[in-house]
Amino acid sequence: QQQVKQSPQSLIVQKGGISIINCAYENTAFDYFPWYQQFPGKGPALLIAIRPDVSEKKEGRFTISFNKSAKQFSLHIMDSQPGDSATYFCAASKSGSRLTFGEGTQLTVNP
Amino acid sequence: GAVVSQHPSRVICKSGTSVKIECRSLDFQATTMFWYRQFPKQSLMLMATSNEGSKATYEQGVEKDKFLINHASLTLSTLTVTSAHPEDSSFYICSARDRTGHSPLHFGNGTRLTVT
Repeated sequence: QQQVKQSPQSLIVQKGGISIINCAYENTAFDYFPWYQQFPGKGPALLIAIRPDVSEKKEGRFTISFNKSAKQFSLHIMDSQPGDSATYFCAASKSGSRLTFGEGTQLTVNP
Repeated sequence: GAVVSQHPSRVICKSGTSVKIECRSLDFQATTMFWYRQFPKQSLMLMATSNEGSKATYEQGVEKDKFLINHASLTLSTLTVTSAHPEDSSFYICSARDRTGHSPLHFGNGTRLTVT
């Protein structure tokens, strides 16, 4: 079954702290794992993505950690800022096909 | 970067009328576009996959006669909500990928549909 489970559902972090969101997938054929950021009333925007041939990818304050054997991947937001407050979705797909989304995490970064 | 433009951003219509939502890829050709529906505080639910020049593929439980999808060119797909009812009120989002199929999926900014 093509599912992606995401946790936590909501997260509150202080400014400057680290936000960590986790996802687990079932389909071992998935080969593309993006994270999307969505602000209220807007479409999702691609934040960062990883393929299973690497265990970590970093872009600025955002890092994806990928554990192929555990079928898990996570998003770390370092030095979290109030402007990072948004809903984050992990997703997975196989060979450019449809994306399967996680349930979403509502992140609130307090000033 | 790749841009997907969705129009209108917000629409209010009366029950029984039809509403058309446009999704355009502005700087790339998209052979495949995806239409999603999102309820408040929920994830994106794929409604259908739109392929240029062919019929759309609908997800289970999505009424193809109610949600008409047309992908007549490599840069434009449309979703028409026919005979809209209040329960069709939702946030509709399109996304597109370029014709190579290997680029990231880019999303439009969504359309907030309210049916009164």
